[in-house]
Amino acid sequence: DVQMTQSLSYLAASPGESVSISCKASKSISNYLAWYQQKPGEAYKLLIYSGSTLQSGTPSRFSGSGSGTDFTLTIRSLEPEDFGLYYCQQYYEKPYTFGAGTKLELK
Amino acid sequence: QVQLKETGPGLVQPTQTLSITCTVSGFSLTSYYMQWVRQTPGKGLEWMGFIRSGGSTEYNSEFKSRLSISRDTSKNQVFLKMNSLKTEDTGVYYCARGLHYFDYWGQGVMVTVSS
Repeated sequence: DVQMTQSLSYLAASPGESVSISCKASKSISNYLAWYQQKPGEAYKLLIYSGSTLQSGTPSRFSGSGSGTDFTLTIRSLEPEDFGLYYCQQYYEKPYTFGAGTKLELK
Repeated sequence: QVQLKETGPGLVQPTQTLSITCTVSGFSLTSYYMQWVRQTPGKGLEWMGFIRSGGSTEYNSEFKSRLSISRDTSKNQVFLKMNSLKTEDTGVYYCARGLHYFDYWGQGVMVTVSS
């Protein structure tokens, strides 16, 4: 199975700052990577797919980059609603696998 | 609008069978793949399997021997059944829509496996 590693479990930042969340695959997955956001009491929200394509409704301050094994989710100018958990998921091969998540907390 | 909602038993005894229903609205099950994903304390998010828009299924080999996914298109419902439950199966179970990545998720149903 492809292992997805999110090296940071926690990341603290302040509104207005920019942050980057990394995700590393155990083998090349081309750009078959999605990013999700989870907030308490809410359903998971798809932010980005194909590594860098914004899902409809995702604010433009979110961006995704990377290909192969290394991927990054960047959030420019953090808004209060951006704090929560972020997960990456590979869909290059089954079983689809997820990272362990990065919790973006308010500093 | 698109909505997905899981309903399930909450508490299941070890060795018993888990049954969860995902009721959807705002789209047709015959047009979309439907996925099951769970989140457990021990393994985090795990993809369990899907039912295709045409009705065939595919499962994660981790669960293959004890998992079954089915649907009733007339009721807009997708079903998960998993037998031989263990305490490690305790977690939140989600249904989600999508082929490879998942554009809509339910809020999940918490399942505790305990005697």
